[in-house]
Amino acid sequence: ETGVTQTPRHLVMGMTNKKSLKCEQHLGHNAMYWYKQSAKKPLELMFVYNFKEQTENNSVPSRFSPECPNSSHLFLHLHTLQPEDSALYLCASSSLTGTDTQYFGPGTRLTVL
Amino acid sequence: AQSVTQLGSHVSVSEGALVLLRCNYSSSVPPYLFWYVQYPNQGLQLLLKYTSAATLVKGINGFEAEFKKSETSFHLTKPSAHMSDAAEYFCAVSDSGPSGSRLTFGEGTQLTVNP
Repeated sequence: ETGVTQTPRHLVMGMTNKKSLKCEQHLGHNAMYWYKQSAKKPLELMFVYNFKEQTENNSVPSRFSPECPNSSHLFLHLHTLQPEDSALYLCASSSLTGTDTQYFGPGTRLTVL
Repeated sequence: AQSVTQLGSHVSVSEGALVLLRCNYSSSVPPYLFWYVQYPNQGLQLLLKYTSAATLVKGINGFEAEFKKSETSFHLTKPSAHMSDAAEYFCAVSDSGPSGSRLTFGEGTQLTVNP
């Protein structure tokens, strides 16, 4: 596998379920990101991890819980979500410089019933 | 604080016509600017980026963009549209710092190419 991969690609869950999204990067990067992409809204940065440490949380509700066990893997644990949380969740990675490009995975399309 | 404005949420062109997607930015420091493309049901793919070298940046698939500091613009162009260019395009500005490359995105422009 190359680049950034995300699983699952599609997820349907009820409001009482617990599920996890997985992201893996094969680029040797040290920074990883979670974004939320909702219809007709700009991409929203949710979390940033550098060398496995969380460096940014953009006021994300606690029903979203990220985990970064190493520089190559990033998870987003979901519990008691709301229908308005339905969106495309994108993972990205980059090197730790301001000029470097963020490489995105294909996303997980989440639907909360 | 940085921001990006993409003028026109929808742009429609004929196949073979010029593509022009507009992006204006606001940044308190010299910016790094990016254009990404998103095809249906896919993630974002980098088209090109400006990092304070040449002001005219060439990217993939025949796209290019020109950085104009006086106009705070970074418009994306392609001389001749192809059907496969139909997608959503995002302009972004980078804020470097301890968190790495933090991107602020515009709202996107949906490009339609008519036969």
